[in-house]
Amino acid sequence: DIQMTQSPSTLSASVGDRVTITCRASQSISSWLAWYQQKPGKAPKLLIYKASSLESGVPSRFSGSGSGTEFTLTISSLQPDDFATYYCQQYNSYSLLTFGPGTKVEIK
Amino acid sequence: QITLKESGPTLVKPTQTLTLTCTFSGFSLSTSGVGVGWIRQPPGKALEWLALIYWDDDKRYSPSLRSRLTITKDTSKNQVVLTMTNMDPVDTATYFCAHSDDYDPFDYWGQGTLVTVSS
Repeated sequence: DIQMTQSPSTLSASVGDRVTITCRASQSISSWLAWYQQKPGKAPKLLIYKASSLESGVPSRFSGSGSGTEFTLTISSLQPDDFATYYCQQYNSYSLLTFGPGTKVEIK
Repeated sequence: QITLKESGPTLVKPTQTLTLTCTFSGFSLSTSGVGVGWIRQPPGKALEWLALIYWDDDKRYSPSLRSRLTITKDTSKNQVVLTMTNMDPVDTATYFCAHSDDYDPFDYWGQGTLVTVSS
């Protein structure tokens, strides 16, 4: 089974900060990596797929990069609406799915 | 417009079987590449993928829960049903269903339904 880790688990930041979250896979997943944003009491929202493709309607301050086993989600300038928990997910085609443990972005 | 909604019991007793239904609109599960999955989230914890069924009836299950899960679809009713046997208090969680197109990640999600396991 492919295991996913994320770092940090919690991140304190201010509005306007550049924020980077790292996700690592236990084996290569090529670019089959997605990022979601979740706010309390809500369903997750897809932000990024195929490691770096921005989902339609998602602000351009969100970007993703990486391949193989190491990936990053970057928020170029943190906005008040961005305080949430972020999850990565691997989806190796025709294979099994795994979510990371999540990174909570909180107000500093 | 794609929508999904989960339904089922809010409370189940330990050892019982949970049956959840995902009723969707705006897409067909007979369209090539389409899938519907189930994901759960215990209170205050991370997301956990459970199962996924594709348009061609291909089914995938979480290895850790495979023996307890069954996923089926009723294309005519636009529904996907998940059953989980031998429920335990640790299975208390919000259960989500979600749509996948062309084997991509889940782009549309239901609102989730909280299931509590308690005697």
